[in-house]
Amino acid sequence: DAKTTQPNSMESNEEEPVHLPCNHSTISGTDYIHWYRQLPSQGPEYVIHGLTSNVNNRMASLAIAEDRKSSTLILHRATLRDAAVYYCILRAQTGANNLFFGTGTRLTVIP
Amino acid sequence: NAGVTQTPKFRILKIGQSMTLQCTQDMNHNYMYWYRQDPGMGLKLIYYSVGAGITDKGEVPNGYNVSRSTTEDFPLRLELAAPSQTSVYFCASQINRDTEAFFGQGTRLTVV
Repeated sequence: DAKTTQPNSMESNEEEPVHLPCNHSTISGTDYIHWYRQLPSQGPEYVIHGLTSNVNNRMASLAIAEDRKSSTLILHRATLRDAAVYYCILRAQTGANNLFFGTGTRLTVIP
Repeated sequence: NAGVTQTPKFRILKIGQSMTLQCTQDMNHNYMYWYRQDPGMGLKLIYYSVGAGITDKGEVPNGYNVSRSTTEDFPLRLELAAPSQTSVYFCASQINRDTEAFFGQGTRLTVV
């Protein structure tokens, strides 16, 4: 699976938007971009995923660059509950069946 | 709907002991996975299964075994526990590789 690059940590004030970047310059044309987050002492939970177009759901929005070499997870209003490690993952359509978790971005939300 | 259930939540093993980590899901998912997470690190895939009777190795399979006799259950077996296997273990399931994966709450294992 192609790899991703994320900042180790970010901070945000409560109730402000948060933009979490992810670089994936070696992405292939059929790789989906998945985002998961892991709250303290819990298993990862799904946030959102997309292929080419921007995606929205109740948790977040995913903005995908036109060349697909980068993407941004957008939390529209950060809450204290959003403090977690966020993982950007590329999911190949063929080959090894794995969600490759890097070290992710640790988001701190400041009250 | 219970989702993915892992037992036990915590366990301390002595070096050389064996144990089975249990994982069951009630969503009729075909795909199931076992990951381990060392402190401060991301998750690494140990084994996975795409359906009953089918298993395959992930990134770090050494020291572990799995079986998948039913759709619901995917136990992970440690035969000779070593300190290097001290970790948090997560089980996950999904309908297929393009959909949302659901994770259990984890099993924290310490080998002393």
